[in-house]
Amino acid sequence: QVQLQESGPGLVKPSETLSLTCTVSGYSISSGYYWGWIRQPPGKGLEWIGSIYHSGSTYYNPSLKSRVTISVDTSKNQFSLKLSSVTAADTAVYYCARGIAAGLIDPWGQGTLVTVSS
Amino acid sequence: DIQMTQSPSTLSASVGDRVTITCRASQSISSWLAWYQQKPGKAPKLLIYKASSLESGVPSRFSGSGSGTEFTLTISSLQPDDFATYYCQQYNSYSPPFTFGPGTKVDIK
Repeated sequence: QVQLQESGPGLVKPSETLSLTCTVSGYSISSGYYWGWIRQPPGKGLEWIGSIYHSGSTYYNPSLKSRVTISVDTSKNQFSLKLSSVTAADTAVYYCARGIAAGLIDPWGQGTLVTVSS
Repeated sequence: DIQMTQSPSTLSASVGDRVTITCRASQSISSWLAWYQQKPGKAPKLLIYKASSLESGVPSRFSGSGSGTEFTLTISSLQPDDFATYYCQQYNSYSPPFTFGPGTKVDIK
């Protein structure tokens, strides 16, 4: 049974880069599927950030594309999110997840709250 | 981007009620539509994919229908565990971003 766990700083300063890692257990990332990130501002809805195929092809939300990088480290069975030049609007719970298709998401990690504040 | 809308935004219902939530896409997405359930403080859970296919382990009281631009999620007999927020999402691989609807909160009447 595949499980995902997010890790990274819970507080990031404005203009800096948000960096999160997702550790996958129960499945080898290099074997297939997409791996992605979704976020949810407090009390609001869900926003798809982007996905990466196990081979390295990426899909990004155009609204975030200039600031987002998703990468895979198959040696550690992890994938990562970097979001640059953050503002308070980037404060959200960030979920990592497996993509059955590029945008079809199952399962999800438990989520981690990242607050952007000085 | 494809815009997704849901109605109603909030739905008050009782245990045993039949509940229907509607999701509309701003352009045709064929059947590339998923439904997720989210409870407070928890990650969303996939219920339905490809508009009408039930995810493994999901109770059969959940069903989905529709194609093109209009879709519905139906709970045939609402159970206490079903009070949650439900999101639709389009995942047409030719049309990222894979946008979510704004959500429908199902609460106790």
